[in-house]
Amino acid sequence: EQQVQQSPASLVLQEAENAELQCSFSIFTNQVQWFYQRPGGRLVSLLYNPSGTKQSGRLTSTTVIKERRSSLHISSSQITDSGTYLCAMENTNTGKLTFGDGTVLTVKP
Amino acid sequence: EAAVTQSPRNKVTVTGGNVTLSCRQTNSHNYMYWYRQDTGHGLRLIHYSYGAGNLQIGDVPDGYKATRTTQEDFFLLLELASPSQTSLYFCASSDRWGHGDAEQFFGPGTRLTVL
Repeated sequence: EQQVQQSPASLVLQEAENAELQCSFSIFTNQVQWFYQRPGGRLVSLLYNPSGTKQSGRLTSTTVIKERRSSLHISSSQITDSGTYLCAMENTNTGKLTFGDGTVLTVKP
Repeated sequence: EAAVTQSPRNKVTVTGGNVTLSCRQTNSHNYMYWYRQDTGHGLRLIHYSYGAGNLQIGDVPDGYKATRTTQEDFFLLLELASPSQTSLYFCASSDRWGHGDAEQFFGPGTRLTVL
């Protein structure tokens, strides 16, 4: 069973549209971290969100721990936002991060 | 932000070869991790460490050894490389772990090809 599920698997937007990415996890966690990655590139930490809502620029993460879900909202998307967005949850019992397979975002002009 | 560097950035070896991947972090983090990433998949944890001399087994440890020589340096060892170990390898570090305050910072990755 995959412990971290992300949806959608891929998303295509027109520039300036908003994006909503979802992450759900099968076991309890107290930490969710969202990352951005270009193909073959470094993972860049976007938001570290134990619970509630956290914002950084055009990015907003909302995590509801008791419902085992987190979302990443990207407002006014730009072409440079294209890439893969990964969410990862920390297993409260072991402390290890488990990653989802990612959402591939393509923003077109 | 934590500074995590990896070397080499690219490596090609043959089946049965001996490979060492290096990772250094310069922000005095206690915890370091090695992951592999394969096309279409998320990252999978190979080994991790709490500090110098410590090693913990991750989720996909078979065929890999690791050693943490100092707080800064963490090495991943492939003593008999196989084509199934062709992958993109990432190192990461964090200040704490298991406390709900353990943001991880990643290196640029090493692309390993085993022929």
